[in-house]
Amino acid sequence: SQQGEEDPQALSIQEGENATMNCSYKTSINNLQWYRQNSGRGLVHLILIRSNEREKHSGRLRVTLDTSKKSSSLLITASRAADTASYFCATDAINDMRFGAGTRLTVKP
Amino acid sequence: NAGVTQTPKFQVLKTGQSMTLQCAQDMNHEYMSWYRQDPGMGLRLIHYSVGAGITDQGEVPNGYNVSRSTTEDFPLRLLSAAPSQTSVYFCASSSLGGDNSPLHFGNGTRLTVT
Repeated sequence: SQQGEEDPQALSIQEGENATMNCSYKTSINNLQWYRQNSGRGLVHLILIRSNEREKHSGRLRVTLDTSKKSSSLLITASRAADTASYFCATDAINDMRFGAGTRLTVKP
Repeated sequence: NAGVTQTPKFQVLKTGQSMTLQCAQDMNHEYMSWYRQDPGMGLRLIHYSVGAGITDQGEVPNGYNVSRSTTEDFPLRLLSAAPSQTSVYFCASSSLGGDNSPLHFGNGTRLTVT
């Protein structure tokens, strides 16, 4: 069964706008990770946030984690057409990382 | 650095046929895993391994076998292909640490079973 569920399923924005994707999960976690998948390719790791962290930044990415609500958000600022991809959250159990169904982001030039 | 290499990229099988999907990594990672990706379902874990000689089942192991004779290779065998196994298969690896390290993915094998 899926652990993480992303919301929305699809998001379409203009270049330069910010994109926010949300992830909810069901059980306690050690960390939560976000991945990106370009069409026809494997997933690429973006950022990891530990359960004792509330916010983390990496370049144009900002991730928040609220363990009391079992939710996380990924913000991409100043989006570019090249950010068009699917984005997945993943939560860990020991040796068993569970992925959601993803958010499909389209950034229009 | 090649990273995680999967072969073949595409495969068509008839129901009942068997085949092996290959996965190799050159990062000396202890952990390797196989996922399948179906529309609207995200990635589901099939089998994983934490080192040579050690394998375990994931969420959807039925119809698949794995072995890990070396650190580098982690093949996935379909014993008797069924149309329900039509999917995109991804192999991933990571180092093992105090908490999960990021997974490195191959580019997938697209399998169609007719």
